[in-house]
Parts: sequence; C-alpha cells; structure tokens
Amino acid sequence: AQKVTQAQTEISVVEKEDVTLDCVYETRDTTYYLFWYKQPPSGELVFLIRRNSFDEQNEISGRYSWNFQKSTSSFNFTITASQVVDSAVYFCALSESVLDSNYQLIWGAGTKLIIKP
Amino acid sequence: GAGVSQSPRYKVAKRGQDVALRCDPISGHVSLFWYQQALGQGPEFLTYFQNEAQLDKSGLPSDRFFAERPEGSVSTLKIQRTQQEDSAVYLCASRWDANTGELFFGEGSRLTVL
Repeated sequence: AQKVTQAQTEISVVEKEDVTLDCVYETRDTTYYLFWYKQPPSGELVFLIRRNSFDEQNEISGRYSWNFQKSTSSFNFTITASQVVDSAVYFCALSESVLDSNYQLIWGAGTKLIIKP
Repeated sequence: GAGVSQSPRYKVAKRGQDVALRCDPISGHVSLFWYQQALGQGPEFLTYFQNEAQLDKSGLPSDRFFAERPEGSVSTLKIQRTQQEDSAVYLCASRWDANTGELFFGEGSRLTVL
C-alpha cells in the first residue's frame, strides 16, 4: 500500500533555529517520485522539490535541504536559520506513476511549522 | 493573471443547496486537477482533466459531485444538494505539460455547509 507519514503534527521553534521535518513513505514500486509542498496561510500549495527514486543525492537550495534515504524510506526536509516567513504547513507527497509524476499524489497529513520571532 | 485563480474564496451554503466553484488555470496549461482538503489533512484527489477531456473522476466522492472544463481552460466543480461532510477547501491545480512538470495551485475555495 502507498502511504506517506508525517509524524510531526506541529513544530514550534524560535527564529534562526534549524528545524527538520520528517517524512516516511511506503511503496511497493521501485520507481516513484517524492515531493515537498509548502502551504502558507493564504492557502495555495507551493512546490518546493521533486525527487525521483533513483536519485539519492541530497539537495540544498538556499536555506532548504532535503535528505533522501531509501534504506529508511525517508525524505526529510531541513530549514536552516529559520525565519518567520517559513511559518506554514509543509506537505510531503509520493507519486508512483512514472509517466505522470504529479498525478495521483499520495499526500501526508502535513506538519504545521511555527517560527516565533 | 499569472497564477491559478479560484472563486469564490469563501462560500457558505445551507445543507441541500447547490454550489459551483470556479477555477481559472494558468493560460496554456494542459492539465487541471481538483483536490479536496479537509481541515488538518493533505489534499485528496477528486478529478483530472487534460484539455477538455476528463480523464479521471475516480476521486469524486459521490454522484452529487460534477466537474467540467468545456473549452479546455476554465473549470467548474459543482456540488449538488450539499451535505455537511462536503465542508472543506477545494483546491485547483494546473500544469503546462500533460505528463511532467510541477503543479501550480490556486488558493482554494473554502466551502462551509451549515
């Protein structure tokens, strides 16, 4: 069965702290895609990253970094030196369709991140 | 506009009323998706269009839900005889390519059924 688990319902940190959001997935496929989306209070989901199952290299984009570990079926997201503007709900998602990687995304329940000034 | 536009942003309906939610995707985007997002949950897939063709409607929860995209651009999600369990945010997303590329989401339409 396909499943995405974000065990952290809510995380609250003080600005400038580093914070890691956990994502654990289940799939029987050997080929799949993993995503992170950010949902700020305004409501729209903002795409952050897509990673395919063959690429286990960690990725860094500014203050954001992602650690993909197939051995533990995890795709964790770290924000370094957090800022108040990072406050949002963050969703991890899985797609098992190779041809249409955004189609039929399986979403986690989301982690609400609160950055306090 | 530059992004996906949804209207109305907020809708309050009495149980039994019909509602229509509109999505105006990014110009030229081929694919259009509707999702339902309950409070504190991730989005749940409802239906998918490629141009004007509705290729998958397996996520629509009942026959009270109907979606269309007659000219391959604007889409409307219609809910007939609304029930309290229909209360949710309805998200629309579009993508320029049929098979790849990131999804661009609108801000959603929050439906509250009293």
